[in-house]
Amino acid sequence: EADIYQTPRYLVIGTGKKITLECSQTMGHDKMYWYQQDPGMELHLIHYSYGVNSTEKGDLSSESTVSRIRTEHFPLTLESARPSHTSQYLCASSGTGDNSPLHFGNGTRLTVT
Amino acid sequence: GQNIDQPTEMTATEGAIVQINCTYQTSGFNGLFWYQQHAGEAPTFLSYNVLDGLEEKGRFSSFLSRSKGYSYLLLKELQMKDSASYLCAVMDSNYQLIWGAGTKLIIKP
Repeated sequence: EADIYQTPRYLVIGTGKKITLECSQTMGHDKMYWYQQDPGMELHLIHYSYGVNSTEKGDLSSESTVSRIRTEHFPLTLESARPSHTSQYLCASSGTGDNSPLHFGNGTRLTVT
Repeated sequence: GQNIDQPTEMTATEGAIVQINCTYQTSGFNGLFWYQQHAGEAPTFLSYNVLDGLEEKGRFSSFLSRSKGYSYLLLKELQMKDSASYLCAVMDSNYQLIWGAGTKLIIKP
């Protein structure tokens, strides 16, 4: 079954730690995205990619990096976690058409203490 | 700046009809999406409008007026499982999605 997977589902870490949030999709989608979402707030785009070896910064990209070495894999790395990074992180993918909807993973809920 | 406005919360009764409005001000327009998001879960796609008019899909319909910068999502024959947040998102001239904060819909028996 084609899907999009995120791990871990929940993560609690201390300030200053380096973490990588994993995202993989089996739909063969070229476009992939990372969003941050706080309760009751809009989604904010962190990074996106339109294909292998292509990555672009979104609105909240300054404290994180991504890589796209394989079509199906789009990990997000926080070099030094801070309490302000506490949030839900959603990975999504979409097909090539402009009207292709986003397919979201179940998210990673990150808490930085 | 770019802006999407939706009501924060709405309450409706099981079996009734509810209309969730979305107004937008964006740099260009390349389509409007509605997503449903249950608490603690990922958003799931409901509908897409790029031309004016009504798109019907079962119990859900979505309307768009580009000249007014306005859309609504209409939910008929409400069921308890429709309790969720409904997100409006507009694709701007750069094909980037601008998201509203969502409308939390509470369904009462």
